Amino acid sequence: AQSVAQPEDQVNVAEGNPLTVKCTYSVSGNPYLFWYVQYPNRGLQFLLKYITGDNLVKGSYGFEAEFNKSQTSFHLKKPSALVSDSALYFCAVRDHMNSGGYQKVTFGTGTKLQVIP
Amino acid sequence: GAGVSQTPSNKVTEKGKYVELRCDPISGHTALYWYRQSLGQGPEFLIYFQGTGAADDSGLPNDRFFAVRPEGSVSTLKIQRTERGDSAVYLCASSFWGLAENNNNEQFFGPGTRLTVL
Repeated sequence: AQSVAQPEDQVNVAEGNPLTVKCTYSVSGNPYLFWYVQYPNRGLQFLLKYITGDNLVKGSYGFEAEFNKSQTSFHLKKPSALVSDSALYFCAVRDHMNSGGYQKVTFGTGTKLQVIP
Repeated sequence: GAGVSQTPSNKVTEKGKYVELRCDPISGHTALYWYRQSLGQGPEFLIYFQGTGAADDSGLPNDRFFAVRPEGSVSTLKIQRTERGDSAVYLCASSFWGLAENNNNEQFFGPGTRLTVL
C-alpha cells in the first residue's frame, strides 16, 4: 500500500526567507510525486511533479521540490517566501507499476504554510 | 469551459435525504475522479472513471454512495440517506489519460461542493 506523510501541520516563515514543506512517501515500486496548493474556498492547484530524471523539479510560482530516493522524501522548497504563498499544501504519491494500469493517487494530510510579513 | 466546474458550490440537506453533486470536467479529459475532503484532512479518494465506466470504486465508503458518468463527460455523485458524517467538501478532478507509461498526468481539480448534513 502506498502512503504519504506530511509531518508538520503548520510551517511559519518570515517573508523573504527560504521555506521548506516536508513530505515523505512509501510505495512498492517507483513513485510519481506531486505537490498541490489549496487556497481558502478553492480547489487544489497543481504545483509540480516528479516522474523521472532530475531530482530537482521546478514548478509554478517559483516553487521547487527535491526527490530523494534514499530518504523517500519529496520536500517542497522556495528560496524566498511571499505573503501570498500562505495556503495549504498537499503532497501526493502514485505508485508506478511496470505492468501498467491504473493506480490511484494518495494525498497527505496537508501542511498549512503561514508567511509572516 | 476552462476548468473543472462543480455544482452546487454549497449544499445543505437534512439527515436521511438524497443528494446529487455534479462535476463537469475539462473538455477532452477522459479520466475523472471524485474525492472527499474532511476538515483538516487531505482529499480521500472515492471513485475513478475512465470514460463512462467506473474503473475503481474502492474508495466509496458504503452502498449509499454511487456515481455515474453516462456519456463520458459530466459525472454525478449520488448519496442516499445522507448522514451527518457525510458532511465534507466533495472534490472532482479530471486528467488526460494515455498509455501506461504516460499515466503520470496531474489532476485538475474543481472548486468542490461543500455538503452539510444537518
